[in-house]
Amino acid sequence: EPEVTQTPSHQVTQMGQEVILRCVPISNHLYFYWYRQILGQKVEFLVSFYNNEISEKSEIFDDQFSVERPDGSNFTLKIRSTKLEDSAMYFCASSVAGAVETQYFGPGTRLLVL
Amino acid sequence: TQLLEQSPQFLSIQEGENLTVYCNSSSVFSSLQWYRQEPGEGPVLLVTVVTGGEVKKLKRLTFQFGDARKDSSLHITAAQPGDTGLYLCAGAGGTDKLIFGTGTRLQVFP
Repeated sequence: EPEVTQTPSHQVTQMGQEVILRCVPISNHLYFYWYRQILGQKVEFLVSFYNNEISEKSEIFDDQFSVERPDGSNFTLKIRSTKLEDSAMYFCASSVAGAVETQYFGPGTRLLVL
Repeated sequence: TQLLEQSPQFLSIQEGENLTVYCNSSSVFSSLQWYRQEPGEGPVLLVTVVTGGEVKKLKRLTFQFGDARKDSSLHITAAQPGDTGLYLCAGAGGTDKLIFGTGTRLQVFP
């Protein structure tokens, strides 16, 4: 069964460093998402991406964050200058279409900012 | 702001017992999804409900979407230790993003 994959599974970085989290969505899906989950808290929406542009973003997704689909298979989340509070699990998700369609989640990348 | 509250927050039961988890909101959702999440892993989809009043069954799990599409429930019959995990509801509110609930952590003891 097709699944969303994410790399790396774990990332440790120093505050102020740039990180890039990578995702390979399910191949026939058109909508891509990033969510994050701070330890012990709810899963929170960051951004949705469709047709090579951001379709929606939350207030968390500030200028330090960016997303890109550099080729036909990868979807990346870049954090330019990490802060301690960026430490969280980051989940990529994809769906065939937006709105009511089911979103399938990857296993996540655990980011720790020291 | 759309919020989804789940209850109970924690549930510890013996194998064989039945349980119901609730997901409530004051907002209407166009669809609602239930996920199960293991520690350190991503949410795994269990079911999507779309129509008000809809009932879906997945083996011993029964999911119901409220008539007004503001709430949902998950009922597990004869719980097993393998059902242990964090159960999350998530609603689609007309935009692309999912609003996640607060979660219900279930522990089933043999």
